Amino acid sequence: TQLLEQSPQFLSIQEGENLTVYCNSSSVFSSLQWYRQEPGEGPVLLVTVVTGGEVKKLKRLTFQFGDARKDSSLHITAAQPGDTGLYLCAGGGRGKLTFGQGTILTVHP
Amino acid sequence: DAMVIQNPRYQVTQFGKPVTLSCSQTLNHNVMYWYQQKSSQAPKLLFHYYDKDFNNEADTPDNFQSRRPNTSFCFLDIRSPGLGDAAMYLCATSRGSGGAYYNEQFFGPGTRLTVL
Repeated sequence: TQLLEQSPQFLSIQEGENLTVYCNSSSVFSSLQWYRQEPGEGPVLLVTVVTGGEVKKLKRLTFQFGDARKDSSLHITAAQPGDTGLYLCAGGGRGKLTFGQGTILTVHP
Repeated sequence: DAMVIQNPRYQVTQFGKPVTLSCSQTLNHNVMYWYQQKSSQAPKLLFHYYDKDFNNEADTPDNFQSRRPNTSFCFLDIRSPGLGDAAMYLCATSRGSGGAYYNEQFFGPGTRLTVL
């Protein structure tokens, strides 16, 4: 069984601070997705990383896939209240997503 | 815009009264999924269709059934909802080809089910 350990589970920060969310596994994934979910809505796909060592940037968000494709990180620079939400990493394989436990991020004005 | 649509967004039912949730998609994806998500937890896969082939998860209760009459639509039937079935139900789609899957999944906005 593939497992993804996501940390931290909760993050409460002030506007303008930087933060990093980690997603770790002992298994290799063919790809890894990051989703953001707002209360009462479905998860929205932010990025997919496929290649070991890959780095992708989406405005203030930087995503990295580990060289061995077992871990990933999401770094947010200068967080804003609009970044508040549940962040989910999900490892892909054989049509199923293995989700991390999620990180609830709250950014205070 | 291509999208995944779920109706209704909010559904209230009574304990034991059957309920059907619907999902439609304009992405023309051949794989459709149903997930259950409880308060700020990760979504839990119930089952999925690869084209017309139904794939049930081993731990999905028999109380949950699904129908996919065509590529665009998929339904989740809860035959006798219990209080523990109150949750957000998410529909997602992805592409598949030749029996293989593309791992990106696109989610609908969800249906929030309340059981009284």
